[in-house]
Amino acid sequence: DTGVSQDPRHKITKRGQNVTFRCDPISEHNRLYWYRQTLGQGPEFLTYFQNEAQLEKSRLLSDRFSAERPKGSFSTLEIQRTEQGDSAMYLCASSFSGRGYEQYFGPGTRLTVT
Amino acid sequence: AQKVTQAQTEISVVEKEDVTLDCVYETRDTTYYLFWYKQPPSGELVFLIRRNSFDEQNEISGRYSWNFQKSTSSFNFTITASQVVDSAVYFCALSSGNTPLVFGKGTRLSVIA
Repeated sequence: DTGVSQDPRHKITKRGQNVTFRCDPISEHNRLYWYRQTLGQGPEFLTYFQNEAQLEKSRLLSDRFSAERPKGSFSTLEIQRTEQGDSAMYLCASSFSGRGYEQYFGPGTRLTVT
Repeated sequence: AQKVTQAQTEISVVEKEDVTLDCVYETRDTTYYLFWYKQPPSGELVFLIRRNSFDEQNEISGRYSWNFQKSTSSFNFTITASQVVDSAVYFCALSSGNTPLVFGKGTRLSVIA
């Protein structure tokens, strides 16, 4: 399977704990995106990388959220001091760079904060 | 600002009926791209189609067809002879190329056998 993979698929954590999610993009793609999806809504953009450069991070929901892609391959999304409102599906997608290429999504990580 | 509106929250049809999912978009850019994605109960978003703003030709792929009309800022999706496996949430999305995807809220389609 050469699609986008995400780990873990599910995460249950207690409020105040830190969590980290991993995304492995399609190997030929140099762009990687993170989205958040809450119940009944479409995905909401958080941040994206082209290779190892983070080109947009102003949409990260708060300074508790951070993302890295240190070698231009896999990426991690970290949420510090989790809150109940952080409970959502976190989606990763990848694409070729350039205008208008379609993004391919992974299966997502469902976060539940208790 | 860019916006995508999917006015139909939920649609229910009987198998073999045709169904059209509406998508209306807003953008000030002259070059933009429109997409449809399917999200089945398993949760993974599946890419269906991309159109660019310069290509208003309608497209057909098997039982799926898409009608792009710039004059009404719409990019509607029709499933012909629907099947139970078509049951999913369908999202319309918009990008101006180097901007991230802006999604609508989705339309939940239920196809009843």
